[in-house]
Amino acid sequence: SQQGEEDPQALSIQEGENATMNCSYKTSINNLQWYRQNSGRGLVHLILIRSNEREKHSGRLRVTLDTSKKSSSLLITASRAADTASYFCATVVTGGGNKLTFGTGTQLKVEL
Amino acid sequence: SAVISQKPSRDICQRGTSLTIQCQVDSQVTMMFWYRQQPGQSLTLIATANQGSEATYESGFVIDKFPISRPNLTFSTLTVSNMSPEDSSIYLCSVLELSETQYFGPGTRLLVL
Repeated sequence: SQQGEEDPQALSIQEGENATMNCSYKTSINNLQWYRQNSGRGLVHLILIRSNEREKHSGRLRVTLDTSKKSSSLLITASRAADTASYFCATVVTGGGNKLTFGTGTQLKVEL
Repeated sequence: SAVISQKPSRDICQRGTSLTIQCQVDSQVTMMFWYRQQPGQSLTLIATANQGSEATYESGFVIDKFPISRPNLTFSTLTVSNMSPEDSSIYLCSVLELSETQYFGPGTRLLVL
């Protein structure tokens, strides 16, 4: 079953704009991971954020985690056409044995 | 990060047949997993591949349909048995690293006719 819901389901922006995707989950987690998937190919790992962390950065990516609201957000700054992909959040539930439970995903389209 | 390969990358199969997918990692890993991604959907965990013992299956997945082997710390196979068109999906293996990060293979795209 899906642990997370992602919002929006689809997002279309212009190159250079920022893109924000949100992920909500239901139960206590050890960590939350964000992935990118291009055209139904394999998943590329973007960032892992642990339950005791509130914010992490990697290049143009910024991830926040609010465990009180059971939510996370992924911000992509200065987007490029190459950022066009599906983005998934996935959680490792506390006591869940390192298994990932995926959200529903956000389809991002960055237009020139 | 670990380098993960899968074979085959894609296949078209007839209903009623079986397909075995291989997952090879370039380093020893403690945990390996198999996921399914149905068309237009998110990923769902099929099972955890345990080295030297039977795989641990998630609700809705059974060993007779998805037998899994893991003979060592770098290799695993997933078989999709007695296939039907509903099994058309992308099948992905993943590995857990000490950093708690899970990395995924490139996936096997399966079409069942």
